[in-house]
Amino acid sequence: EVQLVESGGGLVKPGGSLRLSCAASGFTFSDYSMIWVRQAPGKGLEWVSFISTSSSNIYYADSVKGRFTISRDNAKNSLYLQMNSLRAEDTAVYYCARDRVLRSSTWYGSEYWGQGTLVTVSS
Amino acid sequence: QSVLTQPPSVSAAPGQKVTISCSGSSSNIGNNYVSWYQQLPGTAPKLLICENNRRPSGIPDRFSGSKSGTSATLGITGLQTGDEADYYCGTWDTSLSAGAVFGGGTKLTVL
Repeated sequence: EVQLVESGGGLVKPGGSLRLSCAASGFTFSDYSMIWVRQAPGKGLEWVSFISTSSSNIYYADSVKGRFTISRDNAKNSLYLQMNSLRAEDTAVYYCARDRVLRSSTWYGSEYWGQGTLVTVSS
Repeated sequence: QSVLTQPPSVSAAPGQKVTISCSGSSSNIGNNYVSWYQQLPGTAPKLLICENNRRPSGIPDRFSGSKSGTSATLGITGLQTGDEADYYCGTWDTSLSAGAVFGGGTKLTVL
């Protein structure tokens, strides 16, 4: 069974940092690209970042470019999102999700999602 | 302001059919596959349609997808009260700011 479990969310002050993790199991993690998607309270889905299998293709939404860094450790079956210079507008539930297609260089949709982890940026 | 445009809400009676539109451009829908997601309150999105019109295993054939040019459509027939949820379209965008994009979401109310 495919499982994605996010962790690392919490309350942080504006300007602070947080590192989210996504532990993957039930599939060959190194074969799939991964994405982070967030959802602010009461708002829609917003794509945050994409990383390909070997980390050779990485993309960020303009809203987080220069502040967030996506990475992965295929040996540990884990995906990460380092978030720096956090702002109030970064407050959201953050989901990790697996791409549908093997070894994709872009996103083809996601059938498997984690349960999400809440990040709250407030003083 | 989302890159993909969806109606904020749609409604229909149980048993009826509803369609949800998703409008984009040549840099996204026009040249990439579209997927559709259902999100119930407090839960993660669920994939309903991939590659414009394919249903993943376990998704009933009441759900259908289509694409024409730079627009896509999700269709739901035989509406049930359990279908009441938010629906999102998504695709890849190959513009200067390349990345995944989602529609703003459509709230389906089953009257």
